[in-house]
Amino acid sequence: DAKTTQPNSMESNEEEPVHLPCNHSTISGTDYIHWYRQLPSQGPEYVIHGLTSNVNNRMASLAIAEDRKSSTLILHRATLRDAAVYYCILRDIRGNEKLTFGTGTRLTIIP
Amino acid sequence: GAVVSQHPSWVICKSGTSVKIECRSLDFQATTMFWYRQFPKQSLMLMATSNEGSKATYEQGVEKDKFLINHASLTLSTLTVTSAHPEDSSFYICSASFAKQALREQETQYFGPGTRLLVL
Repeated sequence: DAKTTQPNSMESNEEEPVHLPCNHSTISGTDYIHWYRQLPSQGPEYVIHGLTSNVNNRMASLAIAEDRKSSTLILHRATLRDAAVYYCILRDIRGNEKLTFGTGTRLTIIP
Repeated sequence: GAVVSQHPSWVICKSGTSVKIECRSLDFQATTMFWYRQFPKQSLMLMATSNEGSKATYEQGVEKDKFLINHASLTLSTLTVTSAHPEDSSFYICSASFAKQALREQETQYFGPGTRLLVL
């Protein structure tokens, strides 16, 4: 599976936008970019995913670089409840359904 | 929608006993369920993938005779940790997905809240 690289940790002030980067320079044409997050002592939850075009949903936006070698998860207005570990994961549509979790980015929200 | 539950949420047991963890998809039929393990300060590691009615596929290094997985129905999978030892103490998380062939790219996994196991 193609690998992703994320910063270990980030901090953001409450009520400000947060941009969480992810590098995936070896991404293949059939890899979807998925984002999950894990709040403390909970199972992960799906955030968003995309292939080539930018995506928006009620939780976040996903901005995908034109060459697809990187992407950015955008939380438009961070709240304390957004403090979590955010995982950027590539999934090949041709492969099985497995998710391979990396170390993710631990996001701390400062009140 | 797409809620996954796990039971129990936490369990403490003596070394040598077996522990069963249930994973249920409450409002959808799960064609595939996954079992993960997470040690403190570490990421999730996939243990096995199970499809309803067939044997689970275990990841390399995971002992299938120690971690018994049963996926008897489209809404229930169980993980039994046999002869548990202190090193099996961990956070066990299941997830479920429902595959729609025409929309395979839309598959997401829905995770349970996790089961914390402590083996004394």
